[in-house]
Amino acid sequence: KQEVTQIPAALSVPEGENLVLNCSFTDSAIYNLQWFRQDPGKGLTSLLLIQSSQREQTSGRLNASLDKSSGRSTLYIAASQPGDSATYLCAVMNYGGSQGNLIFGKGTKLSVKP
Amino acid sequence: DAGVIQSPRHEVTEMGQEVTLRCKPISGHDYLFWYRQTMMRGLELLIYFNNNVPIDDSGMPEDRFSAKMPNASFSTLKIQPSEPRDSAVYFCASSLGILGTEAFFGQGTRLTVV
Repeated sequence: KQEVTQIPAALSVPEGENLVLNCSFTDSAIYNLQWFRQDPGKGLTSLLLIQSSQREQTSGRLNASLDKSSGRSTLYIAASQPGDSATYLCAVMNYGGSQGNLIFGKGTKLSVKP
Repeated sequence: DAGVIQSPRHEVTEMGQEVTLRCKPISGHDYLFWYRQTMMRGLELLIYFNNNVPIDDSGMPEDRFSAKMPNASFSTLKIQPSEPRDSAVYFCASSLGILGTEAFFGQGTRLTVV
């Protein structure tokens, strides 16, 4: 059974720092991995989607990497800003089983202090 | 497009009452998903539809939960009778295709059963 773990559960950094959020998964037979952002009281916003054949994706100050063989992904945020404060979730889609089922980690709550 | 629209945003109901949550997916999206988010379990898929047909409902916790999609622009998730342990945030999401495509989430319905 696929399990997705995100460490740390919470992170507080001063503005301007570069930071890395971690995601690990137990079953490497994934189709893709997505990173989402969730603001308090809001829905999820998709940030980056990495196909299993890809190693990384970039969008602005965000860079996500995927190492399928080791079951790990990282989300790198450059030059963090207070507006980056949110909960970041990663989710994997497995081969086989229910292909609609994105399996989520419990998220890392990020706080960027001005 | 206004995105995925859910109603109501907040619902407080008494144990035993029927609760109906509503979702309007993004026009043209052929997949619709219902998720539930709790502190303990994180985000979990309840059910998803393809072209209005339920594909996988294995995540529906009990027979008290039911979901319908009478047409491409509307879906409901019903809980009857509701129980306090059903209290959670319920998200609806839609996507164009399923594999390798982004899922777009609504703002969620925060359900409290007292």
